[in-house]
Amino acid sequence: GAVVSQHPSRVICKSGTSVKIECRSLDFQATTMFWYRQFPKKSLMLMATSNEGSKATYEQGVEKDKFLINHASLTLSTLTVTSAHPEDSSFYICSASHRDKPVYGYTFGSGTRLTVV
Amino acid sequence: DAKTTQPPSMDCAEGRAANLPCNHSTISGNEYVYWYRQIHSQGPQYIIHGLKNNETNEMASLIITEDRKSSTLILPHATLRDTAVYYCIVRVAGGGSNYKLTFGKGTLLTVNP
Repeated sequence: GAVVSQHPSRVICKSGTSVKIECRSLDFQATTMFWYRQFPKKSLMLMATSNEGSKATYEQGVEKDKFLINHASLTLSTLTVTSAHPEDSSFYICSASHRDKPVYGYTFGSGTRLTVV
Repeated sequence: DAKTTQPPSMDCAEGRAANLPCNHSTISGNEYVYWYRQIHSQGPQYIIHGLKNNETNEMASLIITEDRKSSTLILPHATLRDTAVYYCIVRVAGGGSNYKLTFGKGTLLTVNP
């Protein structure tokens, strides 16, 4: 149990366009979802935290107007990278907190490799 | 959350036990020790967690010292597929926006044939 599906796994987009990444909890309800970004050979950096039905909370230095997060239900959160630029190329990973089993930590998606050309 | 210190890299022979240390000398009484790993180009995977007792599951064992200032993750029979970055994270238990998971640099474990 506790599976998080992230889609797409890879995406290439042109500079200036927007890209949407979906994160779904398949077999549980996620109270909170988190979005991370990871550059090559670096650790995961938390970008934002989203709770179902409320606005996302962004970490310092993360542009909320550029990285739009929507958490419309207890099983789906989306991250939209707007007006993407080559420096936004990165590995984006979501994670979800199981509403009924918070002590077990978080389940992560498989990640989305974004390349902006 | 308490900070952790891990060696940047370790090597292990296939079939042998891999022992990954983690120091967390500033851990608080209500903080758990969590271990995750990240295989290249994948999302992190939960391995195990514990508060003060040793824990074992199908993936690994977690040994926490009596003073809780350090712990060791043990992979009893490492395989090539265990090559990954292993993260030791200390935090209070709970889900939700107040319980962020912050990753350090972790230990790159390389299992050699």
